[in-house]
Amino acid sequence: DAGVTQSPTHLIKTRGQQVTLRCSPKSGHDTVSWYQQALGQGPQFIFQYYEEEERQRGNFPDRFSGHQFPNYSSELNVNALLLGDSALYLCASSFGGAMYSNQPQHFGDGTRLSIL
Amino acid sequence: AQSVAQPEDQVNVAEGNPLTVKCTYSVSGNPYLFWYVQYPNRGLQFLLKYITGDNLVKGSYGFEAEFNKSQTSFHLKKPSALVSDSALYFCAVRSKGYGQNFVFGPGTRLSVLP
Repeated sequence: DAGVTQSPTHLIKTRGQQVTLRCSPKSGHDTVSWYQQALGQGPQFIFQYYEEEERQRGNFPDRFSGHQFPNYSSELNVNALLLGDSALYLCASSFGGAMYSNQPQHFGDGTRLSIL
Repeated sequence: AQSVAQPEDQVNVAEGNPLTVKCTYSVSGNPYLFWYVQYPNRGLQFLLKYITGDNLVKGSYGFEAEFNKSQTSFHLKKPSALVSDSALYFCAVRSKGYGQNFVFGPGTRLSVLP
């Protein structure tokens, strides 16, 4: 049973560049959420995708955008990178969108993004 | 607005002793509460959740947590700590109802000393 997989594991970019991170959800899951975890902090919710649409969004600027594909995999895109975007980006999957709020999310191991 | 506090950045405990990692929350209405653990260079692993019913919930690896509605707390406990329990622990809350996001606490680093 494949869990949540993310790629790449590490990425180094410079300010002003753009980046795309990828996520495949756990088998049987159809909902993908993205989180940003800065060093020494808890994960912060970026947005959630369900049925190929952004359903919920946290307090992140429009530079952060995403996409969900028909096979439920997802991408996170960040434009005009800033030094402050350096963080671990976590993908989490679940089932049923926001309907089943009592269910835990399953996390991937993340992509470590470093901005120089 | 939902929020989670973990008042201790660091908890140190000797192997074999009981451990407690504290969590308090603020949410409108009744909450769903979760504990996750994070090992170095890894994502978060689900430990346990409180939905409703018995205030003491049991989870993975011998962990349990006690829900206290009056104190708005959800402390994580284990009767006998192992060195392998050393990790970063996150408490998370989610309000009941459609469209509610997870809100995570800042994390508590647990060190179990041999």
